[in-house]
Amino acid sequence: QSVLTQPPSVSAAPGQKVTISCSGSSSNIGNNYVSWYQQLPGTAPKLLIYENNKRPSGIPDRFSGSKSGTSATLGITGLQTGDEADYYCGTWDSSLSAVFGGGTKVTVL
Amino acid sequence: EVQLVESGGGLVQPGGSLRLSCAASGFTFSTYAMHWVRQAPGKGLEYVSAINFNGGSTYYAESVKGRFTISRDNSKNTLYLQMGSLRAEDMAVYYCARPRITGTGYYFDYWGQGTLVTVSS
Repeated sequence: QSVLTQPPSVSAAPGQKVTISCSGSSSNIGNNYVSWYQQLPGTAPKLLIYENNKRPSGIPDRFSGSKSGTSATLGITGLQTGDEADYYCGTWDSSLSAVFGGGTKVTVL
Repeated sequence: EVQLVESGGGLVQPGGSLRLSCAASGFTFSTYAMHWVRQAPGKGLEYVSAINFNGGSTYYAESVKGRFTISRDNSKNTLYLQMGSLRAEDMAVYYCARPRITGTGYYFDYWGQGTLVTVSS
């Protein structure tokens, strides 16, 4: 059971938009920045979004992040087949550990 | 270019031990905290352990406390995870990851490729 809650899967057609939610509590998301990671099949996680809404160099602006209270959202616009992957949210928790969501599988129909 | 390369994974019997290594390059290793994060087959990411920049402070998930030991050798730019009393539920891909800590921000900007630990008789 993951500390942060994500939907198991989302899907949309190419070119459409998907959003992935990440729900936590005041012990984690409520008082800390949220990050998002993309894990393509068979590869290591890759940083996608940090500090709620910032993109590392090289990440296209089709990917966006936001946070409100104890929840965060990842948005992907202009969906491409190459976006098929698992996506994880993460943050710091007052238990003095990093915590993650259970992951959301994005399927491009 | 930042690189993290794990090694040491393999097949081990329940109750056995294994030591994982993570060789770091492309950054000043001795100035960064480091983490181990694992991923069981078909499951999500799970924090395992963390160590501060000089090895003076270590942290563990409850599930591995007392069985795993994290350490580092800054002269060799290498992170270690000594795993003991291994259980079936420890079977996973183990990643080393570099955290960035900024105020109330905590995220992992670089990850290794992972090393698979299989616990089976």
